Amino acid sequence: DGGITQSPKYLFRKEGQNVTLSCEQNLNHDAMYWYRQDPGQGLRLIYYSQIVNDFQKGDIAEGYSVSREKKESFPLTVTSAQKNPTAFYLCASGDGMDSPLHFGNGTRLTVT
Amino acid sequence: GENVEQHPSTLSVQEGDSAVIKCTYSDSASNYFPWYKQELGKRPQLIIDIRSNVGEKKDQRIAVTLNKTAKHFSLHITETQPEDSAVYFCAASFGGGSYIPTFGRGTSLIVHP
Repeated sequence: DGGITQSPKYLFRKEGQNVTLSCEQNLNHDAMYWYRQDPGQGLRLIYYSQIVNDFQKGDIAEGYSVSREKKESFPLTVTSAQKNPTAFYLCASGDGMDSPLHFGNGTRLTVT
Repeated sequence: GENVEQHPSTLSVQEGDSAVIKCTYSDSASNYFPWYKQELGKRPQLIIDIRSNVGEKKDQRIAVTLNKTAKHFSLHITETQPEDSAVYFCAASFGGGSYIPTFGRGTSLIVHP
């Protein structure tokens, strides 16, 4: 499906390496979000951005960083400071208040 | 921030039965309550939503009810089918001027043929 694209689908990294997950949307949405999904934990917010060049920490931002240089793009970097990075990462976008999120297909990151 | 509690974590029903999933939220300023369905290995997708000026909304076999006074909302699925098997997430928002969705932990619905 179009709309919001995450890449790659699977990513493998060695411990101690930083890794960047890509998220691109062509829905002209102002807001973008990164969530982490672990079994039984639901979707936990890592970072969000309401507008270009501005972003805010979510509930579990430690060990992650983001940038929002373009409206269409919101990459997430998982740094070596993230103690348990292996997870399924979902990017989402929305057009603001009281409207549903559109999710990408996710990136499954495995760090060994 | 917002806190969203979702129950049950797992729900097993026979095909044709009804299923009910309940969520409670903490921020009384929340006014938009979506429900998402996530099939195995796929992304969450919106199935129904409700806004605070409405008490109930229905779409074919799916309905959502909202009680703002009690700060809880529920998803009702009637005449369940095996293809309804998935994880369902509720969400509520907080943030004043921003829209910051907080999700429940999810309910794994299993419909046995």
